[in-house]
Amino acid sequence: GENVEQHPSTLSVQEGDSAVIKCTYSDSASNYFPWYKQELGKRPQLIIDIRSNVGEKKDQRIAVTLNKTAKHFSLHITETQPEDSAVYFCAASYSGGYQKVTFGTGTKLQVIP
Amino acid sequence: AAGVIQSPRHLIKEKRETATLKCYPIPRHDTVYWYQQGPGQDPQFLISFYEKMQSDKGSIPDRFSAQQFSDYHSELNMSSLELGDSALYFCASTIVGSDDYGYTFGSGTRLTVV
Repeated sequence: GENVEQHPSTLSVQEGDSAVIKCTYSDSASNYFPWYKQELGKRPQLIIDIRSNVGEKKDQRIAVTLNKTAKHFSLHITETQPEDSAVYFCAASYSGGYQKVTFGTGTKLQVIP
Repeated sequence: AAGVIQSPRHLIKEKRETATLKCYPIPRHDTVYWYQQGPGQDPQFLISFYEKMQSDKGSIPDRFSAQQFSDYHSELNMSSLELGDSALYFCASTIVGSDDYGYTFGSGTRLTVV
């Protein structure tokens, strides 16, 4: 089955700086890579996703990159704000929604004002 | 917009009791996934259903069972509860074959076993 590794487990940045979270996956059949933001005690919320036919996707201050050959993908948050503080999970799945999503172990991001 | 509805939000049970968690997917979503999230841990996949049939099974204990009904809602039944079953239980729904197959999670049920 799929195995997703995520680093770092914790990340502290100053407000305004950038944050980068990296993930690797094991199953070359995976072709859908969502990222979730989870605030304490709340549900994971999808913030951005990327499919394997795309190398990069950007949405305002958030961007994801995907390297299919190396089987790794990254989340980039620029101009971080205190409200970005949360736990971020990367995930991998095979297309169509039929397959379960396998989560990484999470990164606790703290943005220091 | 309609979201994934889970009930109850909080549940306190004693050891060896039984609990039933319910999940109502977004209308027209045909697939439901159940996840268990322990404190400080990533969500662990338990089981999924597509068109009322079990489609995948993860690390779900034999004491747990689940099903999806004709209206696509799903129930997770947990028997002989143990202290270690205390966790947040999320369900998520999606549509198989859709171009937009991002999961939408419910708000979760926090189960506390005492």
